[in-house]
Amino acid sequence: DIQMTQSPSSVSASIGDRVTITCRASQGISSWLAWYQQKPGKAPKLLIHAASSLQSGVPSRFSGSGSGTDFTLTISSLQPEDFATYYCQQANSFPLTFGGGTKVEIK
Amino acid sequence: EVQVLESGGGLVQPGGSLRLSCAASGFTFSSYAMRWVRQPPGKGLEWVSAISAGGGTTYYADSVKGRFTISRDNSKNTVYLEMNNLRAEDTAFYYCAKIAVAGSSGYGMDVWGQGTTVTVSS
Repeated sequence: DIQMTQSPSSVSASIGDRVTITCRASQGISSWLAWYQQKPGKAPKLLIHAASSLQSGVPSRFSGSGSGTDFTLTISSLQPEDFATYYCQQANSFPLTFGGGTKVEIK
Repeated sequence: EVQVLESGGGLVQPGGSLRLSCAASGFTFSSYAMRWVRQPPGKGLEWVSAISAGGGTTYYADSVKGRFTISRDNSKNTVYLEMNNLRAEDTAFYYCAKIAVAGSSGYGMDVWGQGTTVTVSS
């Protein structure tokens, strides 16, 4: 199984800050990586697919990069509505696996 | 509007069974593979099961293999998750999700339901 390791597990940031979350796969997954945002009591929301493609309707301050084993999600200027937990997920092979999540909190 | 709506969750004793349903609307259901993902209280996301667009191919997490069965009825735009021999560790919020791109599982899941709660306890 492919293990997905996210870091940090939590980050405190202020409005306007640039936030970067990393995700590492235990083996190469090409660009088959998705990022999700989840707010408390809500279903996950797809932000990025294929490592760097912005899902329709997602603000451009979100961006993804990477391929192979190392990936990043960047929020260029943190907004109040971005405080949430973020998950990466490899879509390269079954079993599908998620990272442990990164909680973005208000500083 | 593209949406999926789960139902069938509830409280069940260890060893019991439940069948979850996920009704889809707003898209050509028979063209998209579907997934079940769960989230234990206060914890992260765990993929549970997947089924191809036509229903002929299924996948399961090791933690549920042999106990859970995924199926779909494309005439009813519904996917199911039959859960048997339930354990306390199956307690979670269960989400149904649609893959983002028809014919390819590599693009993530773009439509999620609101979820249904499964509690396994005596």
